[in-house]
Amino acid sequence: GQQVMQIPQYQHVQEGEDFTTYCNSSTTLSNIQWYKQRPGGHPVFLIQLVKSGEVKKQKRLTFQFGEAKKNSSLHITATQTTDVGTYFCAGKRGSGNTGKLIFGQGTTLQVKP
Amino acid sequence: GAGVSQSPRYKVTKRGQDVALRCDPISGHVSLYWYRQALGQGPEFLTYFNYEAQQDKSGLPNDRFSAERPEGSISTLTIQRTEQRDSAMYRCASSSLSGAEGEKLFFGSGTQLSVL
Repeated sequence: GQQVMQIPQYQHVQEGEDFTTYCNSSTTLSNIQWYKQRPGGHPVFLIQLVKSGEVKKQKRLTFQFGEAKKNSSLHITATQTTDVGTYFCAGKRGSGNTGKLIFGQGTTLQVKP
Repeated sequence: GAGVSQSPRYKVTKRGQDVALRCDPISGHVSLYWYRQALGQGPEFLTYFNYEAQQDKSGLPNDRFSAERPEGSISTLTIQRTEQRDSAMYRCASSSLSGAEGEKLFFGSGTQLSVL
């Protein structure tokens, strides 16, 4: 079945360093979404990517969707302690009201002040 | 309500008992998802509905698990004859499938199930 893999599982950085997490799917996706979960919280939507090769930015966060629509990445520039949490990618095969959203295992980011 | 509401927040039960977990999605949201999340893991897909129709239940682990959404709003996930391995956080999420928010999922705070 469809699988979504994320690496690394954990990342510890010094505040101010950059951070990247990678997401790979075994199948072509119609779209990919990214969520952030703070410790003790629930996943909160960050962004959705739909087009092949798409790049979107949110302040210090840059999201990319691969040309083949099978992989994605999230890059954070100059991390801050507020970036701490687990980042999940979630891939979907169907579009619109079809298809289920499958989550990766997540990358947990720790930032040392 | 303002967000996705799940109840109970915590449920402790004895092995062999049945449990029912409730999800009240954001009003008007078409899609409703159930996920299970173990500590340190990503949400694991269980099942999802569009309106009252169960579209995909391929993630339900076995026939002890079932879900319904009879009127296309509130949903119940039922686990019969619970086992210790069922212990986890059960999360519900809903999506409007329309407008600017499109396929974005809004998650509830979850029900933490402990089977003793």
